[in-house]
Amino acid sequence: RKEVEQDPGPFNVPEGATVAFNCTYSNSASQSFFWYRQDCRKEPKLLMSVYSSGNEDGRFTAQLNRASQYISLLIRDSKLSDSATYLCVVGSSYKLIFGSGTRLLVRP
Amino acid sequence: GAGVSQSPSNKVTEKGKDVELRCDPISGHTALYWYRQRLGQGLEFLIYFQGNSAPDKSGLPSDRFSAERTGESVSTLTIQRTQQEDSAVYLCASDGIAGVTDTQYFGPGTRLTVL
Repeated sequence: RKEVEQDPGPFNVPEGATVAFNCTYSNSASQSFFWYRQDCRKEPKLLMSVYSSGNEDGRFTAQLNRASQYISLLIRDSKLSDSATYLCVVGSSYKLIFGSGTRLLVRP
Repeated sequence: GAGVSQSPSNKVTEKGKDVELRCDPISGHTALYWYRQRLGQGLEFLIYFQGNSAPDKSGLPSDRFSAERTGESVSTLTIQRTQQEDSAVYLCASDGIAGVTDTQYFGPGTRLTVL
């Protein structure tokens, strides 16, 4: 079983749609949680950290459920520029474990 | 400000040759990581440096892979006797807080192709 699991997609949605990605992790001792975004042939870049209380950054909302070891990302009012691969990332001590990513395609 | 830089950006080599990949982390960042990403796949952890020591080398796939770091600066990943399965993008990342997972900042990667 992978340490961080994500649905690979692709999720193909029209502009303006709301889309949600989910992720599960296996290490209950994990301490930090992130969503990264990776554009085609580019390096991953931090999208947002994820906190137990949930957090929002503009159109993006992230939630963490420690009891279920589950992380989510909600994107509202999708833009064409949101098309990318979204990586769920879980950290413990010094190490980050990356999920394989969920691919999002936003169509006009 | 300067981010993480890597060189070369692309490297094409013949099977059996050695290659060296370089990473310049963000100035002052104590932690440095190397990852490998094969086409269409996720990031595989290779090695972690804290300063110039490597407390975790568990991700290095074989003894053909080695890495070193000079102080809290440049790191070099060396792959000896390259094989076609070594073809991938090699990503370097750094972060500034020792021993605690924090945001990692990635370089643009080196795309290695082994013919």
